[in-house]
Amino acid sequence: EAGVTQFPSHSVIEKGQTVTLRCDPISGHDNLYWYRRVMGKEIKFLLHFVKESKQDESGMPNNRFLAERTGGTYSTLKVQPAELEDSGVYFCASSLLWGYNEQFFGPGTRLTVL
Amino acid sequence: AQTVTQSQPEMSVQEAETVTLSCTYDTSESNYYLFWYKQPPSRQMILVIRQEAYKQQNATENRFSVNFQKAAKSFSLKISDSQLGDTAMYFCAFGASFQGAQKLVFGQGTRLTINP
Repeated sequence: EAGVTQFPSHSVIEKGQTVTLRCDPISGHDNLYWYRRVMGKEIKFLLHFVKESKQDESGMPNNRFLAERTGGTYSTLKVQPAELEDSGVYFCASSLLWGYNEQFFGPGTRLTVL
Repeated sequence: AQTVTQSQPEMSVQEAETVTLSCTYDTSESNYYLFWYKQPPSRQMILVIRQEAYKQQNATENRFSVNFQKAAKSFSLKISDSQLGDTAMYFCAFGASFQGAQKLVFGQGTRLTINP
């Protein structure tokens, strides 16, 4: 079974540009999470989808970040316009819906904003 | 709000030695989970071991075991007979379960190097 995949693996953009990150969760996983690790600090929660609905977006830093999960399958995270402080590694994770369920992480997208 | 602290940014041991990684956390929740995740160089993060807070018995997974001290809010990871493949970033994480979903709170990570 394929694991969580993320695209692209690396992205380098100029300040002010737009970038869209994609996450494909494990098939059948209704929970989908986005996390971010900035500058070697701790990994921080951004938001959580249950199927196509945003369950918790308390970690989203500001309105330059927009996450979607149309159809409850893959998810995208768009940053527009990107700022220098958005640089970091963006992780996606997915899990089954009910009971205790392990979160499976993707390899991450390393975003560099110049 | 929950916080997780890993006080050892880097550690290095010789192969076959035993190493312990420290983690402390703060929460007012009574029901929660604690995790250790491992991220090898250029590879995906994987779950190493988990502990349910209501269980008194410390979790073990082969060479990996935890020392869970609930009153002290401490959750250390012990790796016995360390191997070169154990070289990785190790993250301690806290999860308070809510309707089957968990927003994980991570520590800063410990970079562990196993030397031959």
